[in-house]
Amino acid sequence: NAGVTQTPKFRVLKTGQSMTLLCAQDMNHEYMYWYRQDPGMGLRLIHYSVGEGTTAKGEVPDGYNVSRLKKQNFLLGLESAAPSQTSVYFCASSADERESDEQYFGPGTRLTVT
Amino acid sequence: GEDVEQSLFLSVREGDSSVINCTYTDSSSTYLYWYKQEPGAGLQLLTYIFSNMDMKQDQRLTVLLNKKDKHLSLRIADTQTGDSAIYFCAEGFSGGYNKLIFGAGTRLAVHP
Repeated sequence: NAGVTQTPKFRVLKTGQSMTLLCAQDMNHEYMYWYRQDPGMGLRLIHYSVGEGTTAKGEVPDGYNVSRLKKQNFLLGLESAAPSQTSVYFCASSADERESDEQYFGPGTRLTVT
Repeated sequence: GEDVEQSLFLSVREGDSSVINCTYTDSSSTYLYWYKQEPGAGLQLLTYIFSNMDMKQDQRLTVLLNKKDKHLSLRIADTQTGDSAIYFCAEGFSGGYNKLIFGAGTRLAVHP
């Protein structure tokens, strides 16, 4: 099993450009999450999904959209990138919502917006 | 509100014990977690403790929880160079999904 994979690993965008980050998991997990990690701060939840076809806002959703058309994939979109969205983005998945259930993280995507 | 604080940096000598500390504000969490992040990688769950426990031991790792002071610690015995990483403390909350609130992470540097 590959676990959680993310593409791309690195990306540089100009302000105003758009892009989509792809997260894929092969563990048949119901729950998927997108986080951003900024220097000196903990990971913050952007959006999450509790199953195929569902999405919900997390702590910092502004400027992002998500889709979960297939159970194994969770896409994060930036419609008009801003320098404030320069960050490392992590995707995670878990089997269910129990707090004891481990979230499995992907390796991250480093995005720079100039 | 929910807030998790950690010191940002810890340096130890190989073979010594490391203690990484974490404080939190919201006592309604049900689990507290320690995640490890190695360079260029995602976070990996190291261990977790249920909020009604005081201590959990797992090989070289010991987690202590002081609920009164809202203080969590991770002790790594016989620290090795392979333990060099960033360690994140996180609180877990129930409510429809596995909500985690992370601290900023403690960078552990192990030197010979």
